Amino acid sequence: ETGVTQTPRHLVMGMTNKKSLKCEQHLGHNAMYWYKQSAKKPLELMFVYNFKEQTENNSVPSRFSPECPNSSHLFLHLHTLQPEDSALYLCASSQSQGSGANVLTFGAGSRLTVL
Amino acid sequence: KNQVEQSPQSLIILEGKNCTLQCNYTVSPFSNLRWYKQDTGRGPVSLTIMTFSENTKSNGRYTATLDADTKQSSLHITASQLSDSASYICVVSEKAEDKLVFGAGTILRVKS
Repeated sequence: ETGVTQTPRHLVMGMTNKKSLKCEQHLGHNAMYWYKQSAKKPLELMFVYNFKEQTENNSVPSRFSPECPNSSHLFLHLHTLQPEDSALYLCASSQSQGSGANVLTFGAGSRLTVL
Repeated sequence: KNQVEQSPQSLIILEGKNCTLQCNYTVSPFSNLRWYKQDTGRGPVSLTIMTFSENTKSNGRYTATLDADTKQSSLHITASQLSDSASYICVVSEKAEDKLVFGAGTILRVKS
């Protein structure tokens, strides 16, 4: 285990469902990230939170809604998704925001399938 | 446009053999370059991080090289093992906006 835990590991949902992905880290990190990973494509940054404040939204559709109640927990709320949203969603954390010096610690990911 | 290109897209080698994965980038200004290993069903794990002044860095059987002039990096795996089967992702940090630019990865399969 890396210290970043994601649940559920697998999720199948219909286009009209509402579900949430959860990420938890106990590394004492202050920055948390959501990435989308599709087959044969580079990781796509979705959201960044630094000290619980959202600092980056990478033009993500509103059907994805992040929530960061504290520095240890991050959620991704899903609603009215499309089949093309099927992917591996990775959560990561780092000491603080600032990719230059900080190494990201990733969770194992949540594999999402939208029917 | 800042980009990271990795080659080959996939690779199959026999256990015990060596292999080299390539990473070319156009990211500027450059801050650092990292190689990550992603096992199936897992998230990426950092193997090495290289700054502008570093040419070579080793981590066990993994050796990364960096040529900042030609903007190329390679990851050499020596005496491959079955457990080396994974996706290897090259990530370059862009200094001005402090962004990470990811490559699409090379999928390595080591056969017995």
